[in-house]
Amino acid sequence: ETVLTQSPVTLSVSPGERATLSCRASQSVSSHLAWYQHKPGQAPRLLIYDSSTRATGISHRFSGSGSGTDFTLTISSLQSEDFAVYYCQQYNQWPPSTFGQGTRVEIK
Amino acid sequence: EVQLLQSGGGLVQPGESLRLSCTASGFTFSLYSMSWVRQIPGKGLEWVALISASDHSTYYADFLEGRFTISRDNSRDTLYLQINSLRAEDTATYYCVKGTPTLDMVFASWGLGTPVAVSA
Repeated sequence: ETVLTQSPVTLSVSPGERATLSCRASQSVSSHLAWYQHKPGQAPRLLIYDSSTRATGISHRFSGSGSGTDFTLTISSLQSEDFAVYYCQQYNQWPPSTFGQGTRVEIK
Repeated sequence: EVQLLQSGGGLVQPGESLRLSCTASGFTFSLYSMSWVRQIPGKGLEWVALISASDHSTYYADFLEGRFTISRDNSRDTLYLQINSLRAEDTATYYCVKGTPTLDMVFASWGLGTPVAVSA
């Protein structure tokens, strides 16, 4: 099973600043990595798949990069609606598909 | 618009069984693989099971120990998750999720979740 480790656990950012989230895989997942945003009481939302492809309707503020074992989600110029928990997910070798433990982006 | 309407959760006692349902609309259900993903309170997301579109092949997370069964009824556009011998550690919000046209395990659409609480 591929383990995904996200860092940091919590990221405190001021509105308008950039946020950089990391996801590291215990073995190569090629580019088969997705990112999701999850707000309390809502369903998670797909942001990025195949490491860097934005899902339909996702703002250009969100960008993904990386391959192999190291991946980054960057949120440029954070807006109030961006404060949430973000999860990475690998789907290179499944079952199982696995998620990281999440990074909480909070208002500084 | 894709909609995944979930039902069937609730409070159950240990050892009981439960069937979760997810009725889909806004897309051709029979063409997409479907999965269940759960979130244990205070924890992250966890993939539970997948059923393919083509031949209804099923795949499960190892930790389920054979107590979970995913199934689908394409004539009713409905996905199911049968959970037997429920345990306290099954307490979670269970999400019905839809794959993309080419990536079964990328979850582009999610239901709102149905809570399952297992307690005596």
